[in-house]
Amino acid sequence: GESVGLHLPTLSVQEGDNSIINCAYSNSASDYFIWYKQESGKGPQFIIDIRSNMDKRQGQRVTVLLNKTVKHLSLQIAATQPGDSAVYFCAENNYGQNFVFGPGTRLSVLP
Amino acid sequence: KAGVTQTPRYLIKTRGQQVTLSCSPISGHRSVSWYQQTPGQGLQFLFEYFSETQRNKGNFPGRFSGRQFSNSRSEMNVSTLELGDSALYLCASSLMNTEAFFGQGTRLTVV
Repeated sequence: GESVGLHLPTLSVQEGDNSIINCAYSNSASDYFIWYKQESGKGPQFIIDIRSNMDKRQGQRVTVLLNKTVKHLSLQIAATQPGDSAVYFCAENNYGQNFVFGPGTRLSVLP
Repeated sequence: KAGVTQTPRYLIKTRGQQVTLSCSPISGHRSVSWYQQTPGQGLQFLFEYFSETQRNKGNFPGRFSGRQFSNSRSEMNVSTLELGDSALYLCASSLMNTEAFFGQGTRLTVV
């Protein structure tokens, strides 16, 4: 499949451990944030979102944390599985504008 | 319901030629955005269309253009292709200020 980001930062975790992927966003006016997962040969896939009036949101095995003070977003994946191996992107949006994507982090799950 | 459909999946063109890529959004979605993805630059926003009008535009030269039809389908065109235009072109559709759903992308190779 197509390569996505040959020189991305990589996070390696053992299967079953928790993963934390971090993202610094740029616009203090951004009010909507999304985490996407991109597997080789596929388009980005929505994982979880959060609006600026919240600081935490939980999904199935995933949690997003938002710290507006330092413009920081994190994605926590519980009990990481081999199928979680992918590139993860954060995206920010200022209402009515386009999404701006971070550079991405490659998650590698070790057996 | 059907996801975002992009055609073609793969394309090889020669420098100087022009190319048109197509995107059919999710039914009911009126916003369509286009992104260019390369290993070196990540996901870069090209433009966004809403109800046949270009609403936002990224920082790309005028060789990159797009349009949206009354049925929300969108096309993007690149004229006078350059080697550096080789990339994965992604289309995403969304409702107003909600998550964007991506297609599989069109892999364009310029030789």
